[in-house]
Amino acid sequence: NAGVTQTPKFRVLKTGQSMTLLCAQDMNHEYMYWYRQDPGMGLRLIHYSVGEGTTAKGEVPDGYNVSRLKKQNFLLGLESAAPSQTSVYFCASSYSRPEQYFGPGTRLTVT
Amino acid sequence: KNEVEQSPQNLTAQEGEFITINCSYSVGISALHWLQQHPGGGIVSLFMLSSGKKKHGRLIATINIQEKHSSLHITASHPRDSAVYICAVKGGSQGNLIFGKGTKLSVKP
Repeated sequence: NAGVTQTPKFRVLKTGQSMTLLCAQDMNHEYMYWYRQDPGMGLRLIHYSVGEGTTAKGEVPDGYNVSRLKKQNFLLGLESAAPSQTSVYFCASSYSRPEQYFGPGTRLTVT
Repeated sequence: KNEVEQSPQNLTAQEGEFITINCSYSVGISALHWLQQHPGGGIVSLFMLSSGKKKHGRLIATINIQEKHSSLHITASHPRDSAVYICAVKGGSQGNLIFGKGTKLSVKP
């Protein structure tokens, strides 16, 4: 099993550009999450999904959109990137809410 | 005030020392996690506990629900234990995890 994978691992965007981050899991997990990690702050939840076709907002959803068309994939989109979205993004998945399996992270820089 | 507070923020130890990292939280919870983030960035779950104590190898995690406090202990520390240790609690109306800022541990040989 690959576990949780994220694509890409690194990306540099110019302000105003758009991109999509892909998270994939092969553990048949119902729950999937997108977090961002910034220096001096704990992981913050952007959006999450409790099953295929469902999404919900987390703590810091503004500027991001998500989709969960297939159970194994959870996509995070930035429609118009801003420098404030420079961060490391982690995807996670779980059978139930408490225990989560994390992907390796995507380092995004917006200039 | 942060809902999950960890102390210390940074910790340097000599190989072999006994290490304690603390986590205090202000919300009602049903579970608490300890996670480890390696220098390369990957995050792995170490423990999930809702009461008492758990042990895995040289790592021990305890929780006191009444005092809203948990500790992570590392016995006989080793340089490979160098990482950021993150406390997270399952709480709030949506039941999602709330994370502390992490404790950066550096173990010197």
